[in-house]
Amino acid sequence: RKEVEQDPGPFNVPEGATVAFNCTYSNSASQSFFWYRQDCRKEPKLLMSVYSSGNEDGRFTAQLNRASQYISLLIRDSKLSDSATYLCVVTGNTGGFKTIFGAGTRLFVKA
Amino acid sequence: DVKVTQSSRYLVKRTGEKVFLECVQDMDHENMFWYRQDPGLGLRLIYFSYDVKMKEKGDIPEGYSVSREKKERFSLILESASTNQTSMYLCASTSQPMNTEAFFGQGTRLTVV
Repeated sequence: RKEVEQDPGPFNVPEGATVAFNCTYSNSASQSFFWYRQDCRKEPKLLMSVYSSGNEDGRFTAQLNRASQYISLLIRDSKLSDSATYLCVVTGNTGGFKTIFGAGTRLFVKA
Repeated sequence: DVKVTQSSRYLVKRTGEKVFLECVQDMDHENMFWYRQDPGLGLRLIYFSYDVKMKEKGDIPEGYSVSREKKERFSLILESASTNQTSMYLCASTSQPMNTEAFFGQGTRLTVV
């Protein structure tokens, strides 16, 4: 079983749609959680951190459920510019401070 | 502006060659990582380092080694390149503690022929 698993996608949605991505992680000792965005032929960049209380940044909402070892990202009112790959990231002091990435979920937003 | 710099954007090497991929960060970060990224598999951790001269194996270390002689530089070495090591290689760094943003280099597209 992979340490971090994501919906493989791709997700094809029209502009204005709401889309949700899910991610599960296997190590209950994981400490920190993030969503990264990767544009085509570019390096990943931090989108937002994920906290137990949930957090929101404009159209983006991230949730963490430690009991179920589950992370989600909700994008409201999708824009064409949201088209990218979204990577779930988990870090923790397990076997030496590893930062583990999910395989990513590809999103296409169409006009 | 924070920066992680990888020495090459594109490399073409022959099977059996020894290949060096260099990564330098200017943020005084303690932790540095090497990943490879392949379609459908995402980023897979090869090796990481949390201090000078320290290294830890990631999930796919076979066929690779690393060197961290200085805090700012983390090198990935392919001892004898093989065609299945054709991939995009990404270097990243983070500060302590680990729950901070990872900054990536622009990536090196390595083709082994």
